[in-house]
Amino acid sequence: TQLLEQSPQFLSIQEGENLTVYCNSSSVFSSLQWYRQEPGEGPVLLVTVVTGGEVKKLKRLTFQFGDARKDSSLHITAAQPGDTGLYLCAGARSNTGKLIFGQGTTLQVKP
Amino acid sequence: DVKVTQSSRYLVKRTGEKVFLECVQDMDHENMFWYRQDPGLGLRLIYFSYDVKMKEKGDIPEGYSVSREKKERFSLILESASTNQTSMYLCASSLRGEIYNEQFFGPGTRLTVL
Repeated sequence: TQLLEQSPQFLSIQEGENLTVYCNSSSVFSSLQWYRQEPGEGPVLLVTVVTGGEVKKLKRLTFQFGDARKDSSLHITAAQPGDTGLYLCAGARSNTGKLIFGQGTTLQVKP
Repeated sequence: DVKVTQSSRYLVKRTGEKVFLECVQDMDHENMFWYRQDPGLGLRLIYFSYDVKMKEKGDIPEGYSVSREKKERFSLILESASTNQTSMYLCASSLRGEIYNEQFFGPGTRLTVL
């Protein structure tokens, strides 16, 4: 059972466009993380959101945790080719140490 | 700078061979993880270790075993490799009891079983 659904799975856009990636679940998470993975590398943590309704910004990236802590979104403003990669959301159900990962969103930003 | 290293970036093995994938972390983390990553499926947990010699099955443990004899090292073993184990294997580590469960990943090993 896939507990975290990411959408869209693929996104190909032109440089300068805006985009939003969604991460949805019917389960509540104690925290949710977003990772970016470049080809041939492991995922790298971008941000962790903990509080329902929380919004965090990382330069042109805005992350939001849903009020009920069941969903999250990642918005990129004026995408750059350097944003190209696989974006993964991951939810923590408790402090067991384990994460549940979404399927990932492959983003391609064309110059 | 925190670091998780994996023994090989690319590996090609034959069906039936015994395969060892090694992972080392230098952050003194108690938790270590092995995942496999396949297109459209995200990361699936194979095994998890929360301390030396302690292990817990993940979502897809069949065909795999693990070993954690030292805190910094976590090995994944494919007893008899099969073609359906061709995949990207990722190792990760995290601090036990850390409420955010933030994990640090190695670069991955792309395994091809012929």
